Amino acid sequence: KQEVTQIPAALSVPEGENLVLNCSFTDSAIYNLQWFRQDPGKGLTSLLLIQSSQREQTSGRLNASLDKSSGRSTLYIAASQPGDSATYLCAADYNNNDMRFGAGTRLTVKP
Amino acid sequence: EPEVTQTPSHQVTQMGQEVILRCVPISNHLYFYWYRQILGQKVEFLVSFYNNEISEKSEIFDDQFSVERPDGSNFTLKIRSTKLEDSAMYFCASSKGGELFFGEGSRLTVL
Repeated sequence: KQEVTQIPAALSVPEGENLVLNCSFTDSAIYNLQWFRQDPGKGLTSLLLIQSSQREQTSGRLNASLDKSSGRSTLYIAASQPGDSATYLCAADYNNNDMRFGAGTRLTVKP
Repeated sequence: EPEVTQTPSHQVTQMGQEVILRCVPISNHLYFYWYRQILGQKVEFLVSFYNNEISEKSEIFDDQFSVERPDGSNFTLKIRSTKLEDSAMYFCASSKGGELFFGEGSRLTVL
């Protein structure tokens, strides 16, 4: 069964700290892995997409890595800000149609 | 910046009633999706649509659900006879093949 797990479920950090969010998936045969941000009651905002042939992607203060062999992806957020507070979701795309989502990590960045 | 738009943002209906949720995908995208998120739970795949037909569907997407692309811009999800457990946020997404872009969601409350 293709499962996606995110650890930790919640994380609280002081402003300015660098942090890492973890995502693991049980089946390494993925097409790609995508990270999203979700604010309360809102939709999903795409942050980064890593294709299966890639090892990492960067956008501004965000860096996502992918290790298919170990079934892991990480999202690194540098110099965190209160505006980064949200739930971060990872999703593994297994057949170019059906994405499996993790439960998310709820991040709080304290001023 | 192009975005996926969904209407209504919130719909309240009585159990057994039919509901249609509407989506306008990004104009040059070819793949369309519906996902749902029950409060406090993971985002779950319902159905994907490509070339005017369903390409994948989950076990959630039973006979009470249907999708349609009635014209060149709209993509709809119909729930024929709503149940209490259909209460959720329903997200539409689109892609060119790869990165998914989500709408803000339609919150469905079944009483």
